[in-house]
Amino acid sequence: DGGITQSPKYLFRKEGQNVTLSCEQNLNHDAMYWYRQDPGQGLRLIYYSQIVNDFQKGDIAEGYSVSREKKESFPLTVTSAQKNPTAFYLCASSSFRDRGEQFFGPGTRLTVL
Amino acid sequence: AQSVAQPEDQVNVAEGNPLTVKCTYSVSGNPYLFWYVQYPNRGLQFLLKYITGDNLVKGSYGFEAEFNKSQTSFHLKKPSALVSDSALYFCAVRDMGAAGNKLTFGGGTRVLVKP
Repeated sequence: DGGITQSPKYLFRKEGQNVTLSCEQNLNHDAMYWYRQDPGQGLRLIYYSQIVNDFQKGDIAEGYSVSREKKESFPLTVTSAQKNPTAFYLCASSSFRDRGEQFFGPGTRLTVL
Repeated sequence: AQSVAQPEDQVNVAEGNPLTVKCTYSVSGNPYLFWYVQYPNRGLQFLLKYITGDNLVKGSYGFEAEFNKSQTSFHLKKPSALVSDSALYFCAVRDMGAAGNKLTFGGGTRVLVKP
């Protein structure tokens, strides 16, 4: 069953703690993306990676970090430097053959207490 | 830089009536255009895309969209709305001239279909 998985679905952390969100895909896609979604707002791009061991900052990268050591995995770390981390985080992937169509995971809702 | 605008935050429609969700875009080259739908606490689901060819694109769940180059629009339509169509809809654009598959999303339009 091909697709994108994100874990956990819900995550609670204390202020000042780093937290890592998992994203795995078995679609053999080259590119992967992280978005942040706040209530009543659209998606904002945090980081993206077009190939293993390479990634680029998106529009709101401050306070976040990523790694891309394997094609299937693109974990996102929300650091203590992120001022307002409570949000819904979406991971996506795409193949260059699909001309831009992105496939999304189910999301992780992060709440910082 | 590419951009997408969804001018309506919310669209209300009665079940059985036609549904239209508006989207306009701005890119430097020719666009790839996409519509996605999001149900509460879920990821985005792909509905349809325009790459090239016919201006009327048919997609999932009875949705279609019309590409209008002169008006730089890509409105989503459904002839007869269902209560189950109530969700958040996003329009997105990729600049064909840009490297990679990076999409720019609109702010989203919430659709409420009343029985």
